[in-house]
Amino acid sequence: AQSVTQPDIHITVSEGASLELRCNYSYGATPYLFWYVQSPGQGLQLLLKYFSGDTLVQGIKGFEAEFKRSQSSFNLRKPSVHWSDAAEYFCAVGGQAGTALIFGKGTTLSVSS
Amino acid sequence: GAGVSQSPSNKVTEKGKDVELRCDPISGHTALYWYRQSLGQGLEFLIYFQGNSAPDKSGLPSDRFSAERTGGSVSTLTIQRTQQEDSAVYLCASSLWASGGNEQFFGPGTRLTVL
Repeated sequence: AQSVTQPDIHITVSEGASLELRCNYSYGATPYLFWYVQSPGQGLQLLLKYFSGDTLVQGIKGFEAEFKRSQSSFNLRKPSVHWSDAAEYFCAVGGQAGTALIFGKGTTLSVSS
Repeated sequence: GAGVSQSPSNKVTEKGKDVELRCDPISGHTALYWYRQSLGQGLEFLIYFQGNSAPDKSGLPSDRFSAERTGGSVSTLTIQRTQQEDSAVYLCASSLWASGGNEQFFGPGTRLTVL
């Protein structure tokens, strides 16, 4: 079955500390992987994507993610979290154009001062 | 350029009424998707349009849900005889049709509340 698992429902990180959000996927074809962020009352904003090539991808707002095929993982990282990063983060997997994205349940990030 | 827009941003309706939700995709994007975001269910795919091809309706939860896309651009999602379990945020996304990856751009959503 095709699925995305985000094991952490809620994470709290101190401002300035590093962050890692976990994502594991199961997909029958070549996976295209995404991380989206959603602030309260807002739509989804794409942070970064992995299609092929270099397994470490850089995104907006200082985020990066690493694709590990052997572990079926696509974890999101940021070296130093800012208070404005508090939001809900979704990992998603899809195939080529025309396929629906399958989303994880999301991880809510809180940032403490 | 302009992103995906959706209207209305909020809709409150009574159980049993019909509602229409509108999506304007990014200009030039030929693929359009509807998703539903609800507590406990997360983000679920509803329907997908690509150009003039028959839509992929595999995610529609019941025959009360339908969608159309006119002129390959604007799309309307219709829910007939709304039920309380239809309360959710309905998100529209669009993408370019291209081989390879499937980067979808999302609108702000329509929050539907069924009383």
